[in-house]
Formats: sequence, C-alpha cells, structure tokens
Amino acid sequence: QSVLTQPPSVSGAPGQRVTISCTGSSSNIGAGYSVHWYQQLPGTAPKLLIYGNTNRPSGVPDRFSGSKSGTSASLAITGLQAEDEADYYCQSYDNSLGVFGTGTKVTVL
Amino acid sequence: QITLKESGPTLVKPTQTLTLTCTFSGFSLTTTGVGVGWIRQPPGKALEWLALIYWDDDKRYSPSLKSRLTITKDAPKNQVVLKMTNMDPVDTATYYCAHRRAVYGDWDYWGQGTLVTVSS
Repeated sequence: QSVLTQPPSVSGAPGQRVTISCTGSSSNIGAGYSVHWYQQLPGTAPKLLIYGNTNRPSGVPDRFSGSKSGTSASLAITGLQAEDEADYYCQSYDNSLGVFGTGTKVTVL
Repeated sequence: QITLKESGPTLVKPTQTLTLTCTFSGFSLTTTGVGVGWIRQPPGKALEWLALIYWDDDKRYSPSLKSRLTITKDAPKNQVVLKMTNMDPVDTATYYCAHRRAVYGDWDYWGQGTLVTVSS
C-alpha cells in the first residue's frame, strides 16, 4: 500500500558503510517534497534521524547522512555500529498526504 | 520540551468506534504551520500514516481510510482526537501521535504509542 519503496533488509559488518534507498514517483519525492528518515529500535517509537533530505537533528551522529535525487532518496550509515541495528523508514508527502516507506531492517553482522 | 501521549482503550470489539486522544505539551496548535498527526503500526509491520490536523483546522486523511477517520483538535486543552469507525481485527496496531514541524513537514516528536487490539 505504501508508495515509497525500500529494500526489506540490508546488512553490514561493524565499520562498514550501508545505504538504504527510498524510491518514489513524480507525485511525491519527484514533486519536490522533502524526504525524512526515522530510526525505530525494537519496542520503541520512531525517532527522527534526517529531515529535509539532508539535515541531522541535534544529537544524531554525523555517520548518518541523507540525499535526494529525482524521485528517490537514500540514507547512508558510515562506520556501522552495533547500536545501529534497527528498522529505518523514509517519509514524504504525496499530493499533500503523508506517506511512509515500506521500511528496511538493518542488521549488523 | 515537546511531549505527546496517546490515551484510549486497549481493546475494542469489531464494528465498534475507536476514540484515541493525544495530549501534548511544549507547543501550541495555534502556531502557524504546526500540525499533529496519527500514525499506526500493526505488529511486525511498517508505519502507516493516518491523519493530520493543522493549526488552522485543515485536515488530511489517508485515502484508504478516509471514510472511517475523523480528526479534531481542542487547542486550549492541547489535545487532538482521532476517531476510527467500524473497527476490524486488521486494525490491531500501535497507534502513535506525533508533532509535525512547520517548515519541513517532518515528525520530530512522537508519543510512546498505544497498542489497540481489535477482538471479540
């Protein structure tokens, strides 16, 4: 049902770099709406990780970075750490209505 | 500091109407651009955006649930209420309310969530 598609899972060893894609369309990401990213640890509420495509809220480590191009966006985690094991969701708007991505589980090997 | 907290029944029967209240502090729903929304998450599944109400009482609903949802605000009480009619077991989920920032439209503060189970 979600209009933003993410890979179900990505994995990497500690210290490695992983990326999560978020693919939309011309009515959402491609229409110019900002993309935001959230991290959800097991049993907790989502936490804002990246806002406005590329910005990190205060307190979020700089190994998290976001980018956007055309109808897609990406979240990169460099220097992967054990505590980064979580679910990650992108979010944007589609014709002014909120939409979330399908979610990606990051596993630290 | 912004905080939000969801309250409501933990168990509802099929066909009943669910009423959830989001009580917040640290911001005003009369501030231009601000919004409060509802997002849900079925067990083991992805987040789903449900509804959003803006400071000016503009309301937006998920197209797939629009006929069943009503969102209202009581700014002086710092509360937002979501009603969902004709509940079904597939509506079993954790329901979150969240603060929507004016400039970017991101959800920067979330409530802890409340698990609602639909069962007879």
